[in-house]
Amino acid sequence: AQSVAQPEDQVNVAEGNPLTVKCTYSVSGNPYLFWYVQYPNRGLQFLLKYITGDNLVKGSYGFEAEFNKSQTSFHLKKPSALVSDSALYFCAVRDMGDDKIIFGKGTRLHILP
Amino acid sequence: NAGVTQTPKFRILKIGQSMTLQCTQDMNHNYMYWYRQDPGMGLKLIYYSVGAGITDKGEVPNGYNVSRSTTEDFPLRLELAAPSQTSVYFCASRTKTGSSEQFFGPGTRLTVL
Repeated sequence: AQSVAQPEDQVNVAEGNPLTVKCTYSVSGNPYLFWYVQYPNRGLQFLLKYITGDNLVKGSYGFEAEFNKSQTSFHLKKPSALVSDSALYFCAVRDMGDDKIIFGKGTRLHILP
Repeated sequence: NAGVTQTPKFRILKIGQSMTLQCTQDMNHNYMYWYRQDPGMGLKLIYYSVGAGITDKGEVPNGYNVSRSTTEDFPLRLELAAPSQTSVYFCASRTKTGSSEQFFGPGTRLTVL
């Protein structure tokens, strides 16, 4: 069965600094990996995904994520944080041989002005 | 396109009451999902469907039922509401392309007293 771990409940970053939100996963086969963002009282919005190929994936709003197969990680990154990036971020995984999509518990990102 | 719509937005139930949470998508997506979101617990998959007439259990199916009679609709039924079902419920859909991301509805906030 697949699983996702987001080890940090909250990440605080000063505006303008680089940010990283961590995600590790476990699947029996090959993974599809996703990042979503949730603003208060809203549904989840898709940011980016890893399918196969290039380990560095670029997505919406300047975010990118690095896939590392040996460490089974898919960390979300952004070179320069904005206050408007403050939100709840979710990592999700789907095993290519399965239809279920499993989410992590989320990481709250606070960007400090 | 309206995307994924959910009704109602809010609901308060008494213990033992029943209700149906509605989910409709107008994107002709084959796959649909129901999740619940609890603080600090992330999203937990309740049920999912890969097409009309086909449903399957997710991580936390107890206390819920679903049906999928059409491609567009995927209602979630609570038969005997319990306080443990107090949560925010999200419906999502995606195409049958293996790597496709999910589109989420705005959510239903349910309180059971």
